[in-house]
Amino acid sequence: NAGVTQTPKFRILKIGQSMTLQCTQDMNHNYMYWYRQDPGMGLKLIYYSVGAGITDKGEVPNGYNVSRSTTEDFPLRLELAAPSQTSVYFCASSPDQGAWGEAFFGQGTRLTVV
Amino acid sequence: KNQVEQSPQSLIILEGKNCTLQCNYTVSPFSNLRWYKQDTGRGPVSLTIMTFSENTKSNGRYTATLDADTKQSSLHITASQLSDSASYICVVTGWKDSNYQLIWGAGTKLIIKP
Repeated sequence: NAGVTQTPKFRILKIGQSMTLQCTQDMNHNYMYWYRQDPGMGLKLIYYSVGAGITDKGEVPNGYNVSRSTTEDFPLRLELAAPSQTSVYFCASSPDQGAWGEAFFGQGTRLTVV
Repeated sequence: KNQVEQSPQSLIILEGKNCTLQCNYTVSPFSNLRWYKQDTGRGPVSLTIMTFSENTKSNGRYTATLDADTKQSSLHITASQLSDSASYICVVTGWKDSNYQLIWGAGTKLIIKP
């Protein structure tokens, strides 16, 4: 009964370093999303995918990249980390058209860039 | 501009008491509104979804209302329990450039004290 699994849960990066946040889901959902949550703010969509091989930008894609080679996995890549990327990152998946589909979230990755 | 505003930002009540959380939105055209519960350190979990034609919907001790004319929704929690301590997030789905768009509120942080 894993659902959406994110790794790592916590990470500290130095400015300019790169890293990949891993996300995998075992519910065979087509739709997957990456959000960031800053203190006191609503979730902001970074990237999303409607199926393997298809990705698209959300509201705040700058500084990030994604890939979707399989239905299960949707990693988020940070290149040249900046302090502005300090945030909590959530991966989510949805079984159908996102307008009506409930999103299922992972536990989040708390990233600090120093 | 599509926006979702929630009030209050935070709320502290005693166990067993009732409370009501508010969500006002300016999203247009409107598709649906969903309430999520987010426990500390976890991803959001859906509580209920409201469509244009629905005024009230209950999920156990949670009752959501929607007034599409005034663009307001509320989440009423009855006989609060310690486990209700969490952030409650209102998400409104609208349409932009033929694509759906989820607008997330910043959430209300609810603390239940024994």
